[in-house]
Amino acid sequence: AQSVTQLGSHVSVSEGALVLLRCNYSSSVPPYLFWYVQYPNQGLQLLLKYTSAATLVKGINGFEAEFKKSETSFHLTKPSAHMRDAAEYFCAVSERDTGFQKLVFGTGTRLLVSP
Amino acid sequence: ETGVTQTPRHLVMGMTNKKSLKCEQHLGHNAMYWYKQSAKKPLELMFVYSLEERVENNSVPSRFSPECPNSSHLFLHLHTLQPEDSALYLCASSQDWQDYNSPLHFGNGTRLTVT
Repeated sequence: AQSVTQLGSHVSVSEGALVLLRCNYSSSVPPYLFWYVQYPNQGLQLLLKYTSAATLVKGINGFEAEFKKSETSFHLTKPSAHMRDAAEYFCAVSERDTGFQKLVFGTGTRLLVSP
Repeated sequence: ETGVTQTPRHLVMGMTNKKSLKCEQHLGHNAMYWYKQSAKKPLELMFVYSLEERVENNSVPSRFSPECPNSSHLFLHLHTLQPEDSALYLCASSQDWQDYNSPLHFGNGTRLTVT
């Protein structure tokens, strides 16, 4: 079965600083990976997805993620944080032995941005 | 309306009540999902429907009863719930239920409180 681990339940940065949110996956087959963001009182919104076409994936709102097979990682980064980036971020992997699309989510990382 | 719409946004119910959550997707997708989001726990997949057929029932107690009358609508009928069922219930849809690359599109959720 596939799974993801997100290190750090909370990450704090200053406005303008680099954002790095970590995600490691476990998969016996080439994974399909996703990053989602959840703003307060809202559902999850897709930031980006990895589909094996390119190891560096660009998403919305200036975020990107790099797939590193050797490290089984798919970390999310943004060069310069904005106050509006404060939210909870979830990494997810497709569980590919089910016969249908089923996402398994990590426990999430809350990003705090200070002025 | 666009996307995935969930009603109501908030629901408070006693343990002996019967209520229903509603989800509607306007994306032309052929799969719909119910997830449960509790504090400090990963998102838990509850049910998956594809083309109105249930393809996954993830060991959910029978006090939760899903219904999918057509590919655009999904309900979750609730009865005799327990306080530990208090959570955010998220509905999602995906374009192709058999495509592992297909992202899920989420609604804003229903915040359920069981008293």
